[in-house]
Amino acid sequence: SQQGEEDPQALSIQEGENATMNCSYKTSINNLQWYRQNSGRGLVHLILIRSNEREKHSGRLRVTLDTSKKSSSLLITASRAADTASYFCATAYTGGFKTIFGAGTRLFVKA
Amino acid sequence: DTEVTQTPKHLVMGMTNKKSLKCEQHMGHRAMYWYKQKAKKPPELMFVYSYEKLSINESVPSRFSPECPNSSLLNLHLHALQPEDSALYLCASSSAGIDIQYFGAGTRLSVL
Repeated sequence: SQQGEEDPQALSIQEGENATMNCSYKTSINNLQWYRQNSGRGLVHLILIRSNEREKHSGRLRVTLDTSKKSSSLLITASRAADTASYFCATAYTGGFKTIFGAGTRLFVKA
Repeated sequence: DTEVTQTPKHLVMGMTNKKSLKCEQHMGHRAMYWYKQKAKKPPELMFVYSYEKLSINESVPSRFSPECPNSSLLNLHLHALQPEDSALYLCASSSAGIDIQYFGAGTRLSVL
């Protein structure tokens, strides 16, 4: 089964609002990554958080990691219409070459 | 240059055809990946190459045959595909197996 599961599956918000997406995983990880995918295109890496980190920021993005709950969240502040995309968490475990993607959250930001 | 280039962008093929997808990166990455993605689903890992050797095959049917001619190139040879193989095929590369992956724009494949 997939390493990461996400909720919500879909999220619709107004421009300027914040968007929060959650990711849960099942086994110990080395790091957790978030990617964005615009419709029918390749994925773009957003942020990587390592297992010994609890929070990370990049511009309007804030990622948290709780290894005790095996969960992570991605917060996008002051959202823009251009943020409309699918967002995937991806987990990588130590000693492997695999990065397993969660089911994804489809975000729609209305102008 | 953080670009992964995939060709072709679109491909339509019949079930008896043989075709190839190509992927190229010049970032010096030693890990390269093929993923298959169906609509509204996450990418599913197919193959991983590490230092030009196949390290992971996720039980992919033999009608998909990967090849890594050198450290910059990755091919996916297609033969006798089924309509259910229609999907977006994504190539990615990374400097290490669990590091940030850089994705190409994908090849949209339709099997008729």
